[in-house]
Amino acid sequence: AQKITQTQPGMFVQEKEAVTLDCTYDTSDPSYGLFWYKQPSSGEMIFLIYQGSYDQQNATEGRYSLNFQKARKSANLVISASQLGDSAMYFCAMRSTSGGSYIPTFGRGTSLIVHP
Amino acid sequence: EADIYQTPRYLVIGTGKKITLECSQTMGHDKMYWYQQDPGMELHLIHYSYGVNSTEKGDLSSESTVSRIRTEHFPLTLESARPSHTSQYLCASVGQASSGNTIYFGEGSWLTVV
Repeated sequence: AQKITQTQPGMFVQEKEAVTLDCTYDTSDPSYGLFWYKQPSSGEMIFLIYQGSYDQQNATEGRYSLNFQKARKSANLVISASQLGDSAMYFCAMRSTSGGSYIPTFGRGTSLIVHP
Repeated sequence: EADIYQTPRYLVIGTGKKITLECSQTMGHDKMYWYQQDPGMELHLIHYSYGVNSTEKGDLSSESTVSRIRTEHFPLTLESARPSHTSQYLCASVGQASSGNTIYFGEGSWLTVV
């Protein structure tokens, strides 16, 4: 069975500072993908970044980067130069890509508040 | 750009009414999912489908039903709405690994039962 753990219910950061949102995972699948989503108060889920389990380099998308440490089973999201519009819920997720369970598994989420 | 659509976005209905939340995707994805989520809380899987005529219940017990008669369409039906069904419902789809691994979400349907 797959499991995603996000241990930070809430995080606060000053505008223009960097922030790291933690995510650890557990799976027995040999091949899997890890995702981060942003959910503003309007409710839609916005895809931020993807990391494949066999990708050698950490994924980056603009101000977002994923700090992937496979041996530690962690996939932390780093947001550089935080902006007020980054205030939202952030969800870490994973799914098998090797024919295991195709059901995406989500963490409980982290609420990020960016202060001016 | 995601091509997965949900209607209605917002709905207020009375207790005991029947409601169908629509979800359609134009990406030809075989795997589709329905999640229920209260504001600021975790997502709960209520139904999923791996293709036409395939539907399964998820982890969260739900009084809703789904159908998958066409690949692109995965509607969710509440036969008799109750105030406890007030929540946001998110539809998602996933394609083959060869076509990308992103989990695509619709914009969500906010349901209020009064």
